[in-house]
Amino acid sequence: EPEVTQTPSHQVTQMGQEVILRCVPISNHLYFYWYRQILGQKVEFLVSFYNNEISEKSEIFDDQFSVERPDGSNFTLKIRSTKLEDSAMYFCASIRSLDRVVSYEQYFGPGTRLTVT
Amino acid sequence: DQQVKQNSPSLSVQEGRISILNCDYTNSMFDYFLWYKKYPAEGPTFLISISSIKDKNEDGRFTVFLNKSAKHLSLHIVPSQPGDSAVYFCAASLMNYGGSQGNLIFGKGTKLSVKP
Repeated sequence: EPEVTQTPSHQVTQMGQEVILRCVPISNHLYFYWYRQILGQKVEFLVSFYNNEISEKSEIFDDQFSVERPDGSNFTLKIRSTKLEDSAMYFCASIRSLDRVVSYEQYFGPGTRLTVT
Repeated sequence: DQQVKQNSPSLSVQEGRISILNCDYTNSMFDYFLWYKKYPAEGPTFLISISSIKDKNEDGRFTVFLNKSAKHLSLHIVPSQPGDSAVYFCAASLMNYGGSQGNLIFGKGTKLSVKP
């Protein structure tokens, strides 16, 4: 069964450093998402990406964040200058279509645990 | 601003009995609802979904009920099994509104424990 993969599983970084979290969505999927979950809190939407551009972003997704699909398979989330409060699980998700007649199932990766010290 | 609320942080059920997980929402424009199951150190796993044009959707042991007038949905698991023990998240989306790209708004989750 196809699945969304994410690397690394755990990333430790110092405050102020740049990090890149990587995701490989399911191959025939067209819409991609990043979410995060701070420990003990709910999963929060960060950004959606379609047709090689950001289509929607939340207020969390400020100028420190960027996303890219550099090679047609990887989907990356970059945090330019990490802060302590960026420590969280980051989940990548994808879906093939937003066609209303298709069952809407957004598939999630296993997550990357980011720890900022 | 909690648009999706799961007011029970935990639920304990005996194996074989019914588990009922509840979810309330505030935005009447939501038109698609999903339930996800999550184990520690794993990503959310899709369980079942329902469009706002329906009031029930069933898949094996899992049934989701939607009451639009009450802005309430519930997930029923019958019969409950120990392997169902996990955190269950309710999520909502605006699927059919211009500009929406289907991002999900999650509740805080309910931890289900099914005891043998």
